[in-house]
Parts: sequence; C-alpha cells; structure tokens
Amino acid sequence: TQLLEQSPQFLSIQEGENLTVYCNSSSVFSSLQWYRQEPGEGPVLLVTVVTGGEVKKLKRLTFQFGDARKDSSLHITAAQPGDTGLYLCAGSLPDAGGTSYGKLTFGQGTILTVHP
Amino acid sequence: KAGVTQTPRYLIKTRGQQVTLSCSPISGHRSVSWYQQTPGQGLQFLFEYFSETQRNKGNFPGRFSGRQFSNSRSEMNVSTLELGDSALYLCASRKNPANGYTFGSGTRLTVV
Repeated sequence: TQLLEQSPQFLSIQEGENLTVYCNSSSVFSSLQWYRQEPGEGPVLLVTVVTGGEVKKLKRLTFQFGDARKDSSLHITAAQPGDTGLYLCAGSLPDAGGTSYGKLTFGQGTILTVHP
Repeated sequence: KAGVTQTPRYLIKTRGQQVTLSCSPISGHRSVSWYQQTPGQGLQFLFEYFSETQRNKGNFPGRFSGRQFSNSRSEMNVSTLELGDSALYLCASRKNPANGYTFGSGTRLTVV
C-alpha cells in the first residue's frame, strides 16, 4: 500500500489545456514537495509547502497543500510541450524519535505528455 | 554553483559482485540521502547521513550500506548483487530541514 497515492498515473493532453495532478494520503505530513523528473536525470525540486491550506504559484504552476496536510495538488495552466515529464509528490512525515530524518516518501508519479 | 555529483553515471555488474557508488553534495550541504528508483517501486528511501552519522535507514537488506566522510561526500555499497538491484540510484543533499532536496543525476546500475 502506497503511503502517498498520486493520480492520475498517466496524462496525455494537447498544448494549451489545463491539468491537475493529485497527491493523497491518510497520513499527516510536516511538509510536502513536488518534483519534476526528465528521463535519465534526477528529480528537480519545484516547490515545498509546509502550512495547511498553503497555495504557491510558480508561473503557470499552482500548488496547494490541504488544510489537514494530508493531500496536495498541482495545477498547470495552458500546458506546453516543455512541461512534459514525470511529476512526483514527496512528503516528510513528522519526526517520531528520529525515524523520519531525511526521509521523503514519494508518490508513484504522474507521467505527463503535452502534445504540440 | 556545482550541483550534486554522482559517479559513475552508468555501471554494469554481474550477479554476486559488489559495487560502490559515490556522491558529492553541494558545498555546504551536510545532509545526504540515497534513494533507489525502479519502474515498479518508484523512489524508495535507502538511508540518510548527517555529519558522518547515519540517522535513518529504509527497509533494505543489510547488503546495502553507506557512509559519509568528513567533507560530506558519501558512498553507498551494495554487496552480493542480485538482478533485482538493477535500478537508478539517486543521491540528494540539502542544507537544512527547511530546504528541499537537490538530487544528482543518478547512477544507472544494471546487474546481469
């Protein structure tokens, strides 16, 4: 069972369309991050959200952290072919006796393809 | 500013052999974490080091080990390689818990 459920797993859209990727859990996270990964490379950090209800914008990307800090969403407006890639959400669990040091729990990822 | 450097980028090993992967974090970053990425399991946490101490370890067998040096560089070792160890191994560093991680490009390990 995945601690972080990410959906959809695959997304194929046309340039100019909008999309939303969801990341859900039954656990509370102290922070949540979104990464984008291209083939053959490591994930690149897009944003970190730490406060319940927080909304952050990065150009055409809008990130939201749920009020209860159990879920998050990534919304892309007017997608472009350059947005193509694997999008990953990753959460940090609250520290419990040091068991969460440095550990990110990743969702399975969403493969986004934006066609010209 | 140099990023996280992982060497080698690609590696082919035979079952039963052992392998050592290297990671140089961003200058000033003292926390280094390692992850294994496979198509079936996604990214899974291996271990985290801070100031030469392993602070956390994921659910991997004892064949997987690591260490961190005084200059924050880190190595991970996998002994008695199995076919299932074929994966992209990613190293990540950060300056402090308030920051997100910067990942390296990874080492693609293929076990034949």
